[in-house]
Amino acid sequence: AQSVTQLGSHVSVSEGALVLLRCNYSSSVPPYLFWYVQYPNQGLQLLLKYTSAATLVKGINGFEAEFKKSETSFHLTKPSAHMSDAAEYFCAVSERGYKLSFGAGTTVTVRA
Amino acid sequence: DTAVSQTPKYLVTQMGNDKSIKCEQNLGHDTMYWYKQDSKKFLKIMFSYNNKELIINETVPNRFSPKSPDKAHLNLHINSLELGDSAVYFCASSQPQGARTEAFFGQGTRLTVV
Repeated sequence: AQSVTQLGSHVSVSEGALVLLRCNYSSSVPPYLFWYVQYPNQGLQLLLKYTSAATLVKGINGFEAEFKKSETSFHLTKPSAHMSDAAEYFCAVSERGYKLSFGAGTTVTVRA
Repeated sequence: DTAVSQTPKYLVTQMGNDKSIKCEQNLGHDTMYWYKQDSKKFLKIMFSYNNKELIINETVPNRFSPKSPDKAHLNLHINSLELGDSAVYFCASSQPQGARTEAFFGQGTRLTVV
């Protein structure tokens, strides 16, 4: 079965600093990987997805992620954090198109 | 216009009661899901339906019964509610094209069993 592991349950950054959220995957076949964001009391919103077309994927709100097969990683970055980036972030892997398996999530707080 | 909508948004009920959560999507998707998010924010799939047919049932107690009257609706009925059922339940939908398609999520239903 495919799975993802998010390293770090909580990340605290200063406004304007780099945001780096780590995700490693385990898959015997080329994976389809996703990053979702959940704002307080909201549902999940797709930030970006990797579907093997390009290893560097750009998403919404200035986020991007790089797929590295050699490291089995799909880390999420944003060059400059904004207060509005405070949220819960989930990495996920898709199995057969019928099931998304999520990591445990990373809470991002942004300090003024 | 909301793509995936769930009702109610909040549900407080006593142990032993039976309750339902409704979900509707207007995206024209074939596949719908129920996910449970526990107090530690962990998300786990419960059920998946494709064209009204159950295709995933992730060892969920049989007190939970999904029903899909048509492709656009997937409701969740819970019998004999227990304290441990307290969680946020998310409905989602997708249009699978292999495994590369993302899911669209509703706003969630926060269920509190007292």
